[in-house]
Amino acid sequence: AQSVTQPDIHITVSEGASLELRCNYSYGATPYLFWYVQSPGQGLQLLLKYFSGDTLVQGIKGFEAEFKRSQSSFNLRKPSVHWSDAAEYFCAVDAYSGGSNYKLTFGKGTLLTVNP
Amino acid sequence: EAQVTQNPRYLITVTGKKLTVTCSQNMNHEYMSWYRQDPGLGLRQIYYSMNVEVTDKGDVPEGYKVSRKEKRNFPLILESPSPNQTSLYFCASSPTAQLTQYFGPGTRLLVL
Repeated sequence: AQSVTQPDIHITVSEGASLELRCNYSYGATPYLFWYVQSPGQGLQLLLKYFSGDTLVQGIKGFEAEFKRSQSSFNLRKPSVHWSDAAEYFCAVDAYSGGSNYKLTFGKGTLLTVNP
Repeated sequence: EAQVTQNPRYLITVTGKKLTVTCSQNMNHEYMSWYRQDPGLGLRQIYYSMNVEVTDKGDVPEGYKVSRKEKRNFPLILESPSPNQTSLYFCASSPTAQLTQYFGPGTRLLVL
């Protein structure tokens, strides 16, 4: 079964600093990969996704992520963090789970705090 | 506007009192799913539906029921809620199971 690991439960950065959130997945084939963001009290918003092709994908709000097959990773990056980026970030893998189902499996999330 | 809606957004109930959380999407999506979110556990799938009248269990289906009589609606039913079902619930939909899922705003449930 597929799984997703986000090693960092909580990260604190200063506004303007660069950011990298780590994500590792376990799956036998190339999965579909996603990053979602959840602001306090809000639902989940899709930041970006990887299905195939170019391994560096661009998303909304200035985020990007790089798929590295050899490392089974899909790390999220942003060159300069804004205070409004403070939120919880979830990495997810959509992979075949039997029958006709493709299941979205989430990591446990990384909480980002941004200091002024 | 393309969206997934859930009602109610907040609900406080007591143990054993049946409740239904509604989910509706206006994007003509085939696939719909329910998740619960708990601190430190992320999101876990409760049930999913590939299409009308086709539903199946996710990772944590115990204590829940669903139905899919129409393409746009996918209600989550708690026949006899218990305190361990206190959680934040999300409904999601996508064109098919393998494509991007769009999430509703969430329903925060407290079972006393």
